[in-house]
Amino acid sequence: GENVEQHPSTLSVQEGDSAVIKCTYSDSASNYFPWYKQELGKRPQLIIDIRSNVGEKKDQRIAVTLNKTAKHFSLHITETQPEDSAVYFCAASLISGGYNKLIFGAGTRLAVHP
Amino acid sequence: DADVTQTPRNRITKTGKRIMLECSQTKGHDRMYWYRQDPGLGLRLIYYSFDVKDINKGEISDGYSVSRQAQAKFSLSLESAIPNQTALYFCATSDPTAYGYTFGSGTRLTVV
Repeated sequence: GENVEQHPSTLSVQEGDSAVIKCTYSDSASNYFPWYKQELGKRPQLIIDIRSNVGEKKDQRIAVTLNKTAKHFSLHITETQPEDSAVYFCAASLISGGYNKLIFGAGTRLAVHP
Repeated sequence: DADVTQTPRNRITKTGKRIMLECSQTKGHDRMYWYRQDPGLGLRLIYYSFDVKDINKGEISDGYSVSRQAQAKFSLSLESAIPNQTALYFCATSDPTAYGYTFGSGTRLTVV
C-alpha cells in the first residue's frame, strides 16, 4: 500500500522568511496530493491540493510542486506570518471512480517567530 | 465546521471497557473515514466507508470495529479498550467530485 514520508518534523523560521516542507510517496499510481493545516486544538483543514497532471499550483503565499518521476512533492510558504504557525500534513491518494483514500505523512510543526 | 459532528469531544475510559465514538454529517457525502492522530505519527486510517453497504479496513484496524448506520452516520467502536488506544480520533467525509476531506472536531480518548 501507499506510504508517505514527510520532512522535516519541525521547522522554525523568522517572520517574512520562506518555509519548505517535503514529502515522498511510494505508490507511483497515486494521483492526488493535498496539504492540510492543523492549528493547535483544531481540526485539519485543506489548504491546497495538486493532481498528477500538473507540476505546480499556487494560491497567494502558498504553492505546491510535484515531481512524479522522483515521487515527491513539496509545500512552499512565502513571506511567512505568525498565523502560519501550525502542524502541516501532506497526503497521497489514488483517485479512481470518485474513490479517495488518503494516506498522510507524519506532519511538520512549523513555528514562525516575530 | 458543524457539518461533521463528533461525540463525545472528550472521554476517559478504563481498560477493558467497550466504547463507541459517533460521527454524523450533514454534507450529504457518501464517503466517510475514521483516523487516529498520535504525536509524531500523523493521521492513520482505521476504517473507511464509501457508501452504506461498503466498509473497508484501513492501516490500523486491529482492535476497532465500525458501523455505518446511515449515509450520515459512521460509528467507531473499541470492543475492549487498551491504553495504547489513547489518541485523538477524527472522522472525515469527502465528496466524490472535490476529493478534499472535511474533518470533524475530533474526540480525545484516554484509556486508563
